[in-house]
Amino acid sequence: EAGVAQSPRYKIIEKRQSVAFWCNPISGHATLYWYQQILGQGPKLLIQFQNNGVVDDSQLPKDRFSAERLKGVDSTLKIQPAKLEDSAVYLCASRPRGTDTQYFGPGTRLTVL
Amino acid sequence: GNSVTQMEGPVTLSEEAFLTINCTYTATGYPSLFWYVQYPGEGLQLLLKATKADDKGSNKGFEATYRKETTSFHLEKGSVQVSDSAVYFCALTLMDSNYQLIWGAGTKLIIKP
Repeated sequence: EAGVAQSPRYKIIEKRQSVAFWCNPISGHATLYWYQQILGQGPKLLIQFQNNGVVDDSQLPKDRFSAERLKGVDSTLKIQPAKLEDSAVYLCASRPRGTDTQYFGPGTRLTVL
Repeated sequence: GNSVTQMEGPVTLSEEAFLTINCTYTATGYPSLFWYVQYPGEGLQLLLKATKADDKGSNKGFEATYRKETTSFHLEKGSVQVSDSAVYFCALTLMDSNYQLIWGAGTKLIIKP
């Protein structure tokens, strides 16, 4: 079974530029999560989707971050405009319906200069 | 509220030493407990889990037992290898919280040959 796919793996941008990350969850997983992990810290949940609906986006900085999962499968996370403090690894995870376990992708490492 | 506390790192051991990383939790209800591992430059991998009291999760020589009476889920391995060097995260999830993961701060493990 294929795992959670993310792209790109690495991205370097200048501050005030925009960037987008893509995630394709494990086939059939209804729930998808985006996390931000700053170096040396644990993951911070940004947004949780159930199919194509948002379950929780309370920690998403909505003035600059947006996310969508239009068809309930893959998802895109966007930052516009980026700030220096957005430098982090962005992790995507998915979870099958009715279970308690999240499976993570390899992450996208973002560097904002 | 719900929380996870794990021992601070880094933990430095010699190869073939016995490993214990302590993890305690506070939760309302009956959480599932997890250990995730993050190797340098990679995403998070599920190492093991336990879903009810006295369950023992095990994988790759690592073990952890769900102790309800001490609210603990300590990670152990009898003989560590250099390849076990990574950051280990203890986490819990609850159905009432949309199965969102509550994370410990992570413990960096360094194994010296």
